[in-house]
This record gives sequence, C-alpha cells and structure tokens, in this order.
Amino acid sequence: DAGVIQSPRHEVTEMGQEVTLRCKPISGHNSLFWYRQTMMRGLELLIYFNNNVPIDDSGMPEDRFSAKMPNASFSTLKIQPSEPRDSAVYFCASKGQLNTEAFFGQGTRLTVV
Amino acid sequence: DAKTTQPTSMDCAEGRAANLPCNHSTISGNEYVYWYRQIHSQGPQYIIHGLKNNETNEMASLIITEDRKSSTLILPHATLRDTAVYYCIVSPNAGGTSYGKLTFGQGTILTVHP
Repeated sequence: DAGVIQSPRHEVTEMGQEVTLRCKPISGHNSLFWYRQTMMRGLELLIYFNNNVPIDDSGMPEDRFSAKMPNASFSTLKIQPSEPRDSAVYFCASKGQLNTEAFFGQGTRLTVV
Repeated sequence: DAKTTQPTSMDCAEGRAANLPCNHSTISGNEYVYWYRQIHSQGPQYIIHGLKNNETNEMASLIITEDRKSSTLILPHATLRDTAVYYCIVSPNAGGTSYGKLTFGQGTILTVHP
C-alpha cells in the first residue's frame, strides 16, 4: 500500500481564493483525521470521520473551513475564502479498527499570500 | 480525554539509550498510551502503544507504571536519525464515543548528538 496520499504537496494561493486539499486514506481504514500544524499552535485536530461520517468537527476553526468524505477512499478539506492566517501544514491520517495506529500522509504545505 | 505532560526537550548521546518520560495522571481505565514521533517536515510516525503491560517492538520499548499514571518510552540505542519531536498521547478505546482520536500536545524535542 502506498500509504496515506495527500495532494497537492504544496499550495500557494492568494487571499480570498478557495483552496481544496485532498486525501486518500489507506484502503480498509475506517477512520480519517484532518490536522493542521503551525509553529504557534502545534498539531491541531480539525475534524475526524468514522465510516465516512463526521464524528467531531469541533476543531474546525471557522465556517470558512469544511470537510467531506463522500466515500471510503477520498476526503477533502476546503477553505473558502482563504486568509493568510490559514497558512500551515495540513495533515491527513487514517486508522483501522480498534486500537491500531494511525498513519499520516506527508502533508500539504499551504501558503496564503 | 486525559492530558499528558512531557519535558520540552532532552538530549542523548548517539548509541546510548534515550528514556523519554510522560505523565498522564488522569488516565482512565480504557485509555491507551500511544507514542508518535515527528521528524522535521514529515508526518507523525507511530512508534508503539500499550494499555497496562510493558510493550516492545522493533523501534522501542514502552514501560507503563503499575498505577498507569506515567510511562517511559525507551529507544535502546539512539541514532542521529532518532532526532525528532516525540509525542505521548492518551487515547480512548475506539469502541467509545471518541473513536480513537489522537490529541497531540507539544511533545519532547529529542536531540541525539554524536
């Protein structure tokens, strides 16, 4: 398995533009997590899904952020409109059943100018 | 979820054992202790986890105290490539309402020097 695949690896966009980050979890995993990492705040859990259903989105910072998981093999995190303070590395992770480890993707480095 | 406390940073000489402590005094009975590490610019990497028994794998050993209020991650022979941020996380059983979510703290910056 190629692991958790995120795209793009790097994204530079102008303030106000819509940004969509993509994640393909490991096949067979039923939990998916989106994290954001900044120097100031560290790794923050934004939202996580179980069996494609959002379980907890309390970490989503604002209404500008939305996440979907239309099927077991794909998830998106959208920011609309983007702002400079959204600049961060965004990680996606997936996890199998009960007490197994989570596998992280390589992340998407987002820069909003 | 239970909180964890780790030292901000630690140093270790190459080839020596690195012992990274973690306090989790409010851990509840069904919560596991997980350790992850993050090497610069990469996604976090799983190391090991346990409930109450000591665990060992090819990467490390995990020692959990009998009262489960603290644990120690041991890298038996640290190398320069083990320089990373190490996170100790307490995670509820995935059968509960939190579905095994992982909440990261600030971690311990381990620097392995020659």
